[in-house]
Amino acid sequence: GENVEQHPSTLSVQEGDSAVIKCTYSDSASNYFPWYKQELGKRPQLIIDIRSNVGEKKDQRIAVTLNKTAKHFSLHITETQPEDSAVYFCAARYTGRRALTFGSGTRLQVQP
Amino acid sequence: KAGVTQTPRYLIKTRGQQVTLSCSPISGHRSVSWYQQTPGQGLQFLFEYFSETQRNKGNFPGRFSGRQFSNSRSEMNVSTLELGDSALYLCASSPEGLEQYFGPGTRLTVT
Repeated sequence: GENVEQHPSTLSVQEGDSAVIKCTYSDSASNYFPWYKQELGKRPQLIIDIRSNVGEKKDQRIAVTLNKTAKHFSLHITETQPEDSAVYFCAARYTGRRALTFGSGTRLQVQP
Repeated sequence: KAGVTQTPRYLIKTRGQQVTLSCSPISGHRSVSWYQQTPGQGLQFLFEYFSETQRNKGNFPGRFSGRQFSNSRSEMNVSTLELGDSALYLCASSPEGLEQYFGPGTRLTVT
């Protein structure tokens, strides 16, 4: 079945720096890769997603890149702010299933 | 549009009991998926319903079951509760496309 590995498990950056979180998936038939942000005590919130026919997508300070050959995708956050502090989850969905397989999460701490 | 809602938000049960959790998807969304979130195992897929039919099931024992009604509302049931069932249970609704939007979750504590 599908497996998603996520690194690092924790990440601490200074306000204004960039943060990068990387995920690797196992099933080459995966076609959809969302990223979720979960603040303490709150629901996971979809922040950006990318489909397998696209290599990069940006939305203001966040971007996601996809390398299908290497089967990995990354979340990039630029000009980080304290409110970016949260747990970030990557996920993958392979063709034929609507269920998402999640990575183990990255706790991002932005130091003011 | 109103977001995904889940009831109850918190629940305390004892071992051996059963529990039913409810999820109301975003209006117009026909797909509802359920996930279990624990500190040790992360977010794990339980099952997915679309138009009252279970389309996918995760790797959980038969004690975990669910259903979906004609108005797309969904319930999940856990019978013979075990301590390890303590978790945050999240449902997510989806339109015909790929995006899934999560509800606030039900925090289940089994004592």
